[in-house]
Amino acid sequence: KAGVTQTPRYLIKTRGQQVTLSCSPISGHRSVSWYQQTPGQGLQFLFEYFSETQRNKGNFPGRFSGRQFSNSRSEMNVSTLELGDSALYLCASSELRASSYNEQFFGPGTRLTVL
Amino acid sequence: AQKVTQAQTEISVVEKEDVTLDCVYETRDTTYYLFWYKQPPSGELVFLIRRNSFDEQNEISGRYSWNFQKSTSSFNFTITASQVVDSAVYFCALSDVSGNTPLVFGKGTRLSVIA
Repeated sequence: KAGVTQTPRYLIKTRGQQVTLSCSPISGHRSVSWYQQTPGQGLQFLFEYFSETQRNKGNFPGRFSGRQFSNSRSEMNVSTLELGDSALYLCASSELRASSYNEQFFGPGTRLTVL
Repeated sequence: AQKVTQAQTEISVVEKEDVTLDCVYETRDTTYYLFWYKQPPSGELVFLIRRNSFDEQNEISGRYSWNFQKSTSSFNFTITASQVVDSAVYFCALSDVSGNTPLVFGKGTRLSVIA
């Protein structure tokens, strides 16, 4: 099976712009989670989508949003970019079966630089 | 609330030395999972181990070993005879047993193995 893929891998934007990142989960996985990784804060959970619905949400401002499509692919959007949004954005997918632990598999990340 | 603390921000060792990465956690759950992930320069989080809280047996996998002590809420990771390829950021993480809540990560320990 192909792993989790994220596009683009690198992105440079300027303050005030908006950005959309994409994540394609492993085939058959219906849950997609997003994490932000910065040197100061480490890895922080942004949100999780399952069956096109947001299931969990972290403590981030409303400028951060996401969605999931019927094929389980997910996008996250950051509007009005700030310098502090520079980070590695990681996506993880899981099967989300009710009967067992649901391992998360991570993609390579999108490195966003805001100038 | 769940919390994971990795007090060591950066560690440097000479090749073939043993190194231990510390992880201390806090949770109110009586059962939970603990994890270690490796993040090489490519950025992708690589799963190393998942340990259930009621299994306190230490585990060894090749040069890697893990020491879980519930009494001190610690889940330490030792690399024996370190190699340059072990250079990476290592994350300890915590989740509930369902996997239906986000992983809570420590801030990571950057390990540099010098030849």
